[in-house]
Amino acid sequence: GAVVSQHPSRVICKSGTSVKIECRSLDFQATTMFWYRQFPKQSLMLMATSNEGSKATYEQGVEKDKFLINHASLTLSTLTVTSAHPEDSSFYICSASSGQGNSPLHFGNGTRLTVT
Amino acid sequence: GENVEQHPSTLSVQEGDSAVIKCTYSDSASNYFPWYKQELGKRPQLIIDIRSNVGEKKDQRIAVTLNKTAKHFSLHITETQPEDSAVYFCAARLSYNTDKLIFGTGTRLQVFP
Repeated sequence: GAVVSQHPSRVICKSGTSVKIECRSLDFQATTMFWYRQFPKQSLMLMATSNEGSKATYEQGVEKDKFLINHASLTLSTLTVTSAHPEDSSFYICSASSGQGNSPLHFGNGTRLTVT
Repeated sequence: GENVEQHPSTLSVQEGDSAVIKCTYSDSASNYFPWYKQELGKRPQLIIDIRSNVGEKKDQRIAVTLNKTAKHFSLHITETQPEDSAVYFCAARLSYNTDKLIFGTGTRLQVFP
């Protein structure tokens, strides 16, 4: 089946630094990738939608200058948390779709970010 | 935009009993409704899904029903087992031209042996 690889699985960084998270579709071309954020015991909140070769579409309330998304190829999307603060600590999960209308979403393993 | 509500937030059942989780959605254009199971610290795993042209779908102990008129759908787990314990999320897809999913708030299911 479709595999989505997300890296790193865990990262600890200091306040003010930036962290890059990678999301790769390993055996299919992902025309669209979605980035979600999940706080402990809460639901997955959609942050942004990225389409290969174009700018990401951010959900209301998500700062595009803070959460930089790049989808340079059909198999790779990256999320960079810039100038991280402790309140950015969360579980970030990407998901990918082949863009064929009714295709299911495939999720990465998630990245647990801790900002100290 | 689309809003998905999910109930209950927690559910405790005895092993062997059935569990039912319900969701409602707001956008009548939604046409795809998956259910995900998430264990602690892991990715959501798709367990079953249903499309808007179908009223019910079953896969072994798991079934999903959809009422388009009322805009609600439900997950039914029969003969529950301790390994069914996890957080379950329903989701709705807005329209045919996007794969964007909006998730419900989640249900923590505990199955006691």
